[in-house]
Parts: sequence; C-alpha cells; structure tokens
Amino acid sequence: EAGVAQSPRYKIIEKRQSVAFWCNPISGHATLYWYQQILGQGPKLLIQFQNNGVVDDSQLPKDRFSAERLKGVDSTLKIQPAKLEDSAVYLCASGRIRDSSYEQYFGPGTRLTVT
Amino acid sequence: KQEVTQIPAALSVPEGENLVLNCSFTDSAIYNLQWFRQDPGKGLTSLLLIQSSQREQTSGRLNASLDKSSGRSTLYIAASQPGDSATYLCAVRRTGNQFYFGTGTSLTVIP
Repeated sequence: EAGVAQSPRYKIIEKRQSVAFWCNPISGHATLYWYQQILGQGPKLLIQFQNNGVVDDSQLPKDRFSAERLKGVDSTLKIQPAKLEDSAVYLCASGRIRDSSYEQYFGPGTRLTVT
Repeated sequence: KQEVTQIPAALSVPEGENLVLNCSFTDSAIYNLQWFRQDPGKGLTSLLLIQSSQREQTSGRLNASLDKSSGRSTLYIAASQPGDSATYLCAVRRTGNQFYFGTGTSLTVIP
C-alpha cells in the first residue's frame, strides 16, 4: 500500500510571498488532515476534510491560509502572504477505520522556511 | 479544550535500559490514544493504538497502557537500542476523528 505523498519536501520563501503544498492521501481514505508542526512542538491541526467537505478548520488562520480538496482525493494548502512565524513542517495525514478503530497515516511533511 | 502533555521533554539513557514515557490529557472523553514515533526530517510512524475500552497494547519491545479515568498513558520501551532514538508523540482522538497531540519526548539511546 502506497503511503501519503507530499510535495515539495522543502521550501524557502521570503515573507509576504505565497506558497502552496500538495498532498495525495492513501487510496480510499476519506479523511484528510493538514497539521502545522513548529520546531519543538507537537503537530497542531489546521484543517480536517471528510471526502471534499471541511469538518474542522477552527485553527486555520483564514486571513492567510486556505485549503481545498477537490474530488475528495488530493489536497492543497496555500499560504498567502507568508509570515516569519509560518516557518514549520506541514504534515498531511489520511485516516481510515481499522480493527474497529480509527488510525492516521502521515506523509513525510514539507519543511517551510520563511526568511 | 483537550490539552495533552508529555513528560519528560527529553530523555537520555544508556543502551539496554528499560524506560517509560508519560502522556497526560485533560479530557477523559476520548475514543482512543495513539503513540507515534518521529525521526528527524520525517513524518510520524504509528507505534501503538489503544482503544478507550482497553488497558494496554503490546508490540514487540513496546507496551502502552491507558488509564482513561486519570487521563494518563505510558509507553514502556524494554531493552532500549540506539535505533530507538527519536521523538515520541502521543495523540488522543475525540469526536469527529479529531486528534490532539502532545509536545513529544525526545529520546536518545547512548550506545
């Protein structure tokens, strides 16, 4: 089974520029998550999709961040304009039910550096 | 709001030692708790998942316990090896398949 794919793996931009990240979840996984992980902290949920609908985006800074999941498969996360504090690893995960429980599977992440 | 705390933040042990990592959470209304491993520059790898109705789960040298009423979970690693060096994260699942992560414990196993 192929894992969660993310690209790019690394990105360096200047503040006020825009950037986009792409995620391809595991085939058949209905739920997709974007997390932000700042150095030394645990992942923080930005947005959760169920198929192509948003379940939770309460912690997404909507003035600068946007995300979409067209056709309930791939997803993109965009930041415009970027700030220095957006420097972090952006993790995508997809989820499924296994053994009557629910598990998440993570991609390798995109490391963003804003200068 | 669910708060998840992990203690200690960092731990260094000699190879072969048994060790315990701690995770505490404020809201006991959880569906399950999952332990992950994160290697530098990589994503998270699931180690163990404990359902809210379970007390513990084991996989090889790893054993995770859950005491939902007290809001605590522990990850026990037996006979530690240098390859166990990584950051260990716990995450609790609440309604709507929402997950809340702790800040992690950075483990170094010294050969």
